[in-house]
Amino acid sequence: DIVMTQSPDSLAVSLGERATINCKSSHSVLYSSNNKNYFAWYQQKPGQPPKLLISWASTRESGVPDRFSGSGSGTDFTLTISSLQAEDVAVYYCQQYYGLPYTFGQGTKLEIK
Amino acid sequence: QVQLQESGPALVKPSETLSLTCTVSGDSVSSGTYYWTWIRQPPGKGLEWIGYIHYSGNTVYNPSLESRVTILMDTSKNHFSLDLTSVGAADTALYYCARSRSDSGFGRYSDYWGQGTLVTVSS
Repeated sequence: DIVMTQSPDSLAVSLGERATINCKSSHSVLYSSNNKNYFAWYQQKPGQPPKLLISWASTRESGVPDRFSGSGSGTDFTLTISSLQAEDVAVYYCQQYYGLPYTFGQGTKLEIK
Repeated sequence: QVQLQESGPALVKPSETLSLTCTVSGDSVSSGTYYWTWIRQPPGKGLEWIGYIHYSGNTVYNPSLESRVTILMDTSKNHFSLDLTSVGAADTALYYCARSRSDSGFGRYSDYWGQGTLVTVSS
């Protein structure tokens, strides 16, 4: 299985400041034939199911605020929230969908400082 | 708007079979475009992908669960189901159903999720 490791496990950021979450995969999730990274980010708020934020490492889902951005390639990826809002408090998960079984990171809990 | 709703018993006895159904509205499980997926989350823990089914009948399971898992589809009821046999305490989790898609060949990420249903394994 491809192991996904997120850092940090938890993060406290002041409102309006930048938040950065990292995810590292144990195997490259970049498919060379189409140059796509099979990688997604999800946001899970308390009592809610995960919500897809970003697919293909950097493609924001419709309706996701543009303060959320994804970057990276191969084995190293980053989710950046450019200006933290109160409603962004959540646990964030990365996922690879390159190899079966699809696997998730352990989650990063984002709080307000 | 696509909606998914899980249903099934909240309590299952050890060694018995956990059976859940996911009813889909706003889309058709037989559309062929999407893969219909089960994912679980033990209380306070992370996410584990269980498997998916496609209208074509193609199913793929997590090898860690493959010997105990069956996912089926009922197009007449526009739902799909999960059976997990011989359950134990480690199977206690919030079970989510989801719609999964791929814009590029293989590899499917989940764009719509149900609210989840908590299943506790206990005697």
